[in-house]
Amino acid sequence: GDSVTQMEGPVTLSEEAFLTINCTYTATGYPSLFWYVQYPGEGLQLLLKATKADDKGSNKGFEATYRKETTSFHLEKGSVQVSDSAVYFCAYMDSNYQLIWGAGTKLIIKP
Amino acid sequence: NAGVTQTPKFQVLKTGQSMTLQCAQDMNHNSMYWYRQDPGMGLRLIYYSASEGTTDKGEVPNGYNVSRLNKREFSLRLESAAPSQTSVYFCASSVGSGNYEQYFGPGTRLTVT
Repeated sequence: GDSVTQMEGPVTLSEEAFLTINCTYTATGYPSLFWYVQYPGEGLQLLLKATKADDKGSNKGFEATYRKETTSFHLEKGSVQVSDSAVYFCAYMDSNYQLIWGAGTKLIIKP
Repeated sequence: NAGVTQTPKFQVLKTGQSMTLQCAQDMNHNSMYWYRQDPGMGLRLIYYSASEGTTDKGEVPNGYNVSRLNKREFSLRLESAAPSQTSVYFCASSVGSGNYEQYFGPGTRLTVT
């Protein structure tokens, strides 16, 4: 069935390190893809999105490219900060306009 | 502009008790959603309301009821709480039920003993 698979966390990095959080999905067609972020004690907020193949979403130094060949939407950032510590969720919108979510990846950045 | 607000933030219930989680949005959004978030799992949709006056079941509706009171408010009711309903509950809203960004409230942490 339809699903989103994210790398398990927690992912622990030092400040200024390069970040990759993997996300792959199983869906029919070419759905819109999203990354949401949840900071401690807060609700989720949209980080970036891509609506068609080869699109690159970007925001706050984060990027993700819609790869239809590999059904992936990996999140990257060149130099992470302590303030990036959060839980990151990958999701796609199915044909009923409902979001299908990954389990989330907790990111811990150490100074 | 408060966005999406939820009350209460925390709640402890005994098995069999009932309660209503409240959600309100001030963005004039048409669509509203209730999710639950459990450890190691993604968010799961409980119910949603595509527009005022309509509600539909999501992935995990059993044990819950909802009311779209007006365009701003969407409440979630647990009639007889069970330990399996221990979770964090999020309300969200969006402009419409299509390909739109969802805006989330801060969540309600519910424990059922």
